[in-house]
Amino acid sequence: QQQVKQSPQSLIVQKGGISIINCAYENTAFDYFPWYQQFPGKGPALLIAIRPDVSEKKEGRFTISFNKSAKQFSLHIMDSQPGDSATYFCAASMANAGKSTFGDGTTLTVKP
Amino acid sequence: EAQVTQNPRYLITVTGKKLTVTCSQNMNHEYMSWYRQDPGLGLRQIYYSMNVEVTDKGDVPEGYKVSRKEKRNFPLILESPSPNQTSLYFCASRRQGGGNTEAFFGQGTRLTVV
Repeated sequence: QQQVKQSPQSLIVQKGGISIINCAYENTAFDYFPWYQQFPGKGPALLIAIRPDVSEKKEGRFTISFNKSAKQFSLHIMDSQPGDSATYFCAASMANAGKSTFGDGTTLTVKP
Repeated sequence: EAQVTQNPRYLITVTGKKLTVTCSQNMNHEYMSWYRQDPGLGLRQIYYSMNVEVTDKGDVPEGYKVSRKEKRNFPLILESPSPNQTSLYFCASRRQGGGNTEAFFGQGTRLTVV
């Protein structure tokens, strides 16, 4: 049973465009939703995260939108740059619990 | 420099030969975790540890063992590796109070079992 579904699998965006990646979860006990960025040959790095009591969180060009009733959250990358080309993972976990569940990842390519 | 260090980075072994992948963090983090990454499957959690001598299974623990005798180290043990354990493995750590997510990942260990 896949608890976090991520889409699309791959995404191609022109430089300056908006990249949008979506995730949906099933377990309502999840209460922490991070996004990770991974470059080839590197480990994932925490990009931005949100808790369900907030509908939106913005850090620079990166924004998480959260819809608790729909059990969905998304990552928006504004003014996408070629340096943003990477694989992005969403994840979900529970407070005070050790388990984390990841989406399958989205490979983003930003064309110059 | 704050980091999570895994060794080795690359390993080719034969079926059934016991191996250990080490993971060490220098940030005094309570929480550590192991993941495997396979194409199209994202990261799947193998085991995690909330603190010294406290470990628990993740989503795919079969065929793996872990131990947490010291706070900084969290080795992953494959007692009898099989080809289906060929994968890219990541260790991660975070503070217990640092948000409920992994803040630091190692560089990865690419394991091939033939």
